[in-house]
Amino acid sequence: DGGITQSPKYLFRKEGQNVTLSCEQNLNHDAMYWYRQDPGQGLRLIYYSQIVNDFQKGDIAEGYSVSREKKESFPLTVTSAQKNPTAFYLCASSIFSLFLADSSYNEQFFGPGTRLTVL
Amino acid sequence: ELKVEQNPLFLSMQEGKNYTIYCNYSTTSDRLYWYRQDPGKSLESLFVLLSNGAVKQEGRLMASLDTKARLSTLHITAAVHDLSATYFCAVVLVGAGSYQLTFGKGTKLSVIP
Repeated sequence: DGGITQSPKYLFRKEGQNVTLSCEQNLNHDAMYWYRQDPGQGLRLIYYSQIVNDFQKGDIAEGYSVSREKKESFPLTVTSAQKNPTAFYLCASSIFSLFLADSSYNEQFFGPGTRLTVL
Repeated sequence: ELKVEQNPLFLSMQEGKNYTIYCNYSTTSDRLYWYRQDPGKSLESLFVLLSNGAVKQEGRLMASLDTKARLSTLHITAAVHDLSATYFCAVVLVGAGSYQLTFGKGTKLSVIP
């Protein structure tokens, strides 16, 4: 059963702590993405990875870090430097990077999301 | 900086009626995507539009792209309650050594009996 999994579904963090959100895909996709969604807002791109061992900053990368050591995994760490981390975090993947391949079959598939709350 | 604006942001419509959601963007691009989000859920890809004049249809939804006007539309025909959700458009811009992927704020659609 192919898809994208994110864990945990809900996460509570104290101020000053780093936390890591997991994202795993078994779709054999090259590209993976992390987004943040705030209430009543669209998604904003945090980081993206076009291929394993490569990643690039998106629009709001400050206070976040990622790694892409395996094709199927793209974990996101929310550091204490992120001033307003409470949000809904979504991970996505596509066969190829949306920036490199403009094919109609190259669409993004999203995971179920992680809701992070800072206490 | 790429800006993407959707309107309306909220839409309440009766079952059986037709309506159109608009997505305007600020910089020439020929890559536009439409997504659906149910309350508290993740996003589902609806349409991929990659050229001027592209038109895609799935059930009661039809999306089109006019790259010259920097406008995409999502047309709803004979709405049913199951279409109640938030709809997002997203634009990809590939420049010289730079990439942008920007979402609109979404249109929350409520279909009432």
